[in-house]
Amino acid sequence: DTAVSQTPKYLVTQMGNDKSIKCEQNLGHDTMYWYKQDSKKFLKIMFSYNNKELIINETVPNRFSPKSPDKAHLNLHINSLELGDSAVYFCASSQLGYGNTIYFGEGSWLTVV
Amino acid sequence: TQLLEQSPQFLSIQEGENLTVYCNSSSVFSSLQWYRQEPGEGPVLLVTVVTGGEVKKLKRLTFQFGDARKDSSLHITAAQPGDTGLYLCAGAQPNSGYALNFGKGTSLLVTP
Repeated sequence: DTAVSQTPKYLVTQMGNDKSIKCEQNLGHDTMYWYKQDSKKFLKIMFSYNNKELIINETVPNRFSPKSPDKAHLNLHINSLELGDSAVYFCASSQLGYGNTIYFGEGSWLTVV
Repeated sequence: TQLLEQSPQFLSIQEGENLTVYCNSSSVFSSLQWYRQEPGEGPVLLVTVVTGGEVKKLKRLTFQFGDARKDSSLHITAAQPGDTGLYLCAGAQPNSGYALNFGKGTSLLVTP
């Protein structure tokens, strides 16, 4: 069983469209994250949720809206997609606390054309 | 502001060689983690170091946490092609809600 699963794995879409990426974890973790990895492989935190509550919202355009229906799911909705949104988006989860392992999904490759 | 600086950014070596990757910061971390990412996959945890001066070994990989808990190193002995990948160091800051901040990574290529 995949611990952190996200769909779709690949997404090609036109500028201006709205798209969602779904994420689910079956590890029983209380914290979930969205990270963005750019073309230079830099992995940057976007959002962090603990028990469905937003605890981190980095400087991310408000076109990005995370939604956590329960603590096992954290979806990412993106409005009015721009070329610069092209990247790999990773969902991840962990138990809250320093030094705890973060488990990543396989990533969703978003290409905006 | 990039909290964690990794060097080198790219490294291409032959099988059997040794290498060291560095992760440096001006900030103190309660712990640092090293992840390895293979193409098409998410990062996977290799090790967590918690105590200043701590040394951990994972087969041919040796991880060290600096005495001041501001830096860490990863040493690979007798590298193998299977070691190829992106090595990322990561640390959490007190005001980050425990989310990890990552360094920019070191891309390692080991050729036979």
